[in-house]
Amino acid sequence: ELKVEQNPLFLSMQEGKNYTIYCNYSTTSDRLYWYRQDPGKSLESLFVLLSNGAVKQEGRLMASLDTKARLSTLHITAAVHDLSATYFCAVAHNNNDMRFGAGTRLTVKP
Amino acid sequence: EADIYQTPRYLVIGTGKKITLECSQTMGHDKMYWYQQDPGMELHLIHYSYGVNSTEKGDLSSESTVSRIRTEHFPLTLESARPSHTSQYLCASMAGTEAFFGQGTRLTVV
Repeated sequence: ELKVEQNPLFLSMQEGKNYTIYCNYSTTSDRLYWYRQDPGKSLESLFVLLSNGAVKQEGRLMASLDTKARLSTLHITAAVHDLSATYFCAVAHNNNDMRFGAGTRLTVKP
Repeated sequence: EADIYQTPRYLVIGTGKKITLECSQTMGHDKMYWYQQDPGMELHLIHYSYGVNSTEKGDLSSESTVSRIRTEHFPLTLESARPSHTSQYLCASMAGTEAFFGQGTRLTVV
């Protein structure tokens, strides 16, 4: 049974600071996803990571994947208020669907 | 821009009513999914389909049913709505490694 754990679940940051969100998963998978969700909205795709050592960056967000450790990270650089949202990681399960972590609720304060 | 649509966006309905949540995609994707999400919480897979005439239950026990008579259409039906069904329902489709989410239906059962 695939389990996906994110931490922290809640994160309050000052603008300009750096921080990392972690996503651990329990069984082998070949795909990991990061999504952003604003309150009351649907999910916005941020990154799809497909191989060990994959690193992708978009603006102030950078995601990486270590399939051997079954760990992905989402690193936030010099946070700004607009990054406030809930961030979910999701792991491909049996190559057919995605199983989600509980989400990290990020608040960036001025 | 992903072409996956959910209707209605918001629905308030009385206990015991039968309802169908609609999900359509115009991308020709074979794999489609329904997730249930309480506000700000993780997504739980309730149903999925690999193609026409294929439907499977997900991890979360659900009193809903789905059908897949056409590739583009994956409706979810609640035969008798209860207050415990109050939640957001997100539909998604997948092609290759990328998943696309609809805007969601926010259901309230009173």
